[in-house]
Amino acid sequence: DIQLTQSPSFLSASVGDRVTITCRASQGFGSYLAWYQQKPGKAPKLLISAASTFQSGVPSRFSGSGSGTDFTLTINSLQPEDFATYYCQQLNTFPLTFGGGTKVEIK
Amino acid sequence: EVQLLESGGGLAQPGGSLRLSCAASGFTFSAYGMNWVRQAPGKGLEWVSAISSTGANTHYADSVTGRFTISRDDSKNTLFLQMNSLRAEDTATYYCAKMDYSSGQRVAFDIWGQGTMVTVFS
Repeated sequence: DIQLTQSPSFLSASVGDRVTITCRASQGFGSYLAWYQQKPGKAPKLLISAASTFQSGVPSRFSGSGSGTDFTLTINSLQPEDFATYYCQQLNTFPLTFGGGTKVEIK
Repeated sequence: EVQLLESGGGLAQPGGSLRLSCAASGFTFSAYGMNWVRQAPGKGLEWVSAISSTGANTHYADSVTGRFTISRDDSKNTLFLQMNSLRAEDTATYYCAKMDYSSGQRVAFDIWGQGTMVTVFS
């Protein structure tokens, strides 16, 4: 199985900050990685597919990069509505594993 | 509007069974692979199972293999998860999710349902 390790697991940031979340895989798999945002009591929402492809309606302050084993999600100029938990997921190989999540809270 | 709506969650005793359903609308259900993902209270996301667009191929997490069965009825645009031999650790919110593809490769789960809660207790 491909294990995904997200870091940090928790971060405290202010509105306007630039935030970077890392997802590291136990083995390389190209760019078949997605990023999701989840708010309390809600279903996850797709932000980025194929490591760097925007989803329609997602603000341009969100961006993704990486391939192989190291991936990043960057949020430029953090907004109040961005405080949530973020998950990475690999779709290269079954089982389709998720990272442990990164909770972004208001400083 | 593209939508997934789960149902069938509830209370079950250890060793019991439940059948979850996920009704799809707004897209050509038969053209897409589908998934179940669960989230235990206060925990992260765990992929549970997937089924191909034709239903010919199914995959399961080790934690549910031999106990859960995924299936689909394209005539009713509905995805199912039959859960048998339930355990306390199966307690979670269960989401169905639509597979998204690019050039034939899985790239994301682009549509999610609102979830249905399953509680296993004695």
